[in-house]
Amino acid sequence: EAGVVQSPRYKIIEKKQPVAFWCNPISGHNTLYWYLQNLGQGPELLIRYENEEAVDDSQLPKDRFSAERLKGVDSTLKIQPAELGDSAVYLCASSGEVTQYFGPGTRLLVL
Amino acid sequence: AQSVAQPEDQVNVAEGNPLTVKCTYSVSGNPYLFWYVQYPNRGLQFLLKYITGDNLVKGSYGFEAEFNKSQTSFHLKKPSALVSDSALYFCAVRDIAPRGGSYIPTFGRGTSLIVHP
Repeated sequence: EAGVVQSPRYKIIEKKQPVAFWCNPISGHNTLYWYLQNLGQGPELLIRYENEEAVDDSQLPKDRFSAERLKGVDSTLKIQPAELGDSAVYLCASSGEVTQYFGPGTRLLVL
Repeated sequence: AQSVAQPEDQVNVAEGNPLTVKCTYSVSGNPYLFWYVQYPNRGLQFLLKYITGDNLVKGSYGFEAEFNKSQTSFHLKKPSALVSDSALYFCAVRDIAPRGGSYIPTFGRGTSLIVHP
């Protein structure tokens, strides 16, 4: 069974540029999460989806970050414009009943 | 509110020796507890979880964890460490039935395990 798929794996952009990350969850998992992970830290939730609905997005900086999960399957996280402080790893995870399974992450470097 | 603490930033152990990575938690009700491992440039990989039942939980790669309700701990253990176990380990906790709270697990800061040959 395929795990959580994310792309791209690495992205280097200049500040003020837009960037987008894509995630395809494990088949049948209704819940999808986007996390931010800074170096030496644990994951911090940005947004959680139950099917198409964003149910936890209080930690998402809505002035520059947006996310969508239009058909309740794959999801896109966008940053526009990117800032230097956005350099981090962006992790996607999905879950069925309880356990979260993570993708490999996208490492973003903003110059 | 729920929280988790991993009191050690780094644990060093010799190959072949037993290892323990510590985790303590706080939840309002009963917990779901998880351990994940992260290798360099990889996402978090699920190792094991405690939901209910036997306090000793066995997981992947020979790891196990012991749930101790009185000490609110869920330490990760392995009888004989391998060099390949060297990685970052994360403990996470979630309230089983949060009242007005979140179903999102809270993660610790992580513990770097270094196994020396």
